[in-house]
Amino acid sequence: AQSVAQPEDQVNVAEGNPLTVKCTYSVSGNPYLFWYVQYPNRGLQFLLKYITGDNLVKGSYGFEAEFNKSQTSFHLKKPSALVSDSALYFCAVRDMRRYSTLTFGKGTMLLVS
Amino acid sequence: DSGVTQTPKHLITATGQRVTLRCSPRSGDLSVYWYQQSLDQGLQFLIQYYNGEERAKGNILERFSAQQFPDLHSELNLSSLELGDSALYFCASSVVPVIQGADEAFFGQGTRLTVV
Repeated sequence: AQSVAQPEDQVNVAEGNPLTVKCTYSVSGNPYLFWYVQYPNRGLQFLLKYITGDNLVKGSYGFEAEFNKSQTSFHLKKPSALVSDSALYFCAVRDMRRYSTLTFGKGTMLLVS
Repeated sequence: DSGVTQTPKHLITATGQRVTLRCSPRSGDLSVYWYQQSLDQGLQFLIQYYNGEERAKGNILERFSAQQFPDLHSELNLSSLELGDSALYFCASSVVPVIQGADEAFFGQGTRLTVV
């Protein structure tokens, strides 16, 4: 069965500093990986995805993610954090054997101050 | 705006009651997913429909059911409600080409259900 782990419940970063939100995955076959962000009282918004190709994926709002197959990780990164980046971040994996169901991690709260 | 519409936005009901949550997917999207978000369980996949047919089931209780209609909108029915069913229920949609399936899903803003 596929799964996603986000080991940190919360990440605190000072504005202007680089940020990393960690994600590891477990899936049979090729992983299709996604990052979503949820602002208070809002639905999830798509940030970026990895399907194949370059290990560094660029997404919305200046975010990027690094895919590492050997470490089964897909960490979300941003070179310079903004206070407005404070939100709940979800990593997700798609299992192609289950008609593309998305499985989400528990989420990581990012607080930028 | 993701293009996915969920109604109602808020719902307060008593234990034992039955409610229906509605979702209109983005124009052109054939697949609809339902998720439940609660503080203790996180974001849990409930069920997926593709072009009117059920395609995958997750942690959906027997008291819950869903369907996707010919116009592609979907409804999630929750019955015999319990206090623990209080949560935010999300609908998402995607194009989901049968062969590929690497498209992202777009989420609605959710229905907050409170069972009292």
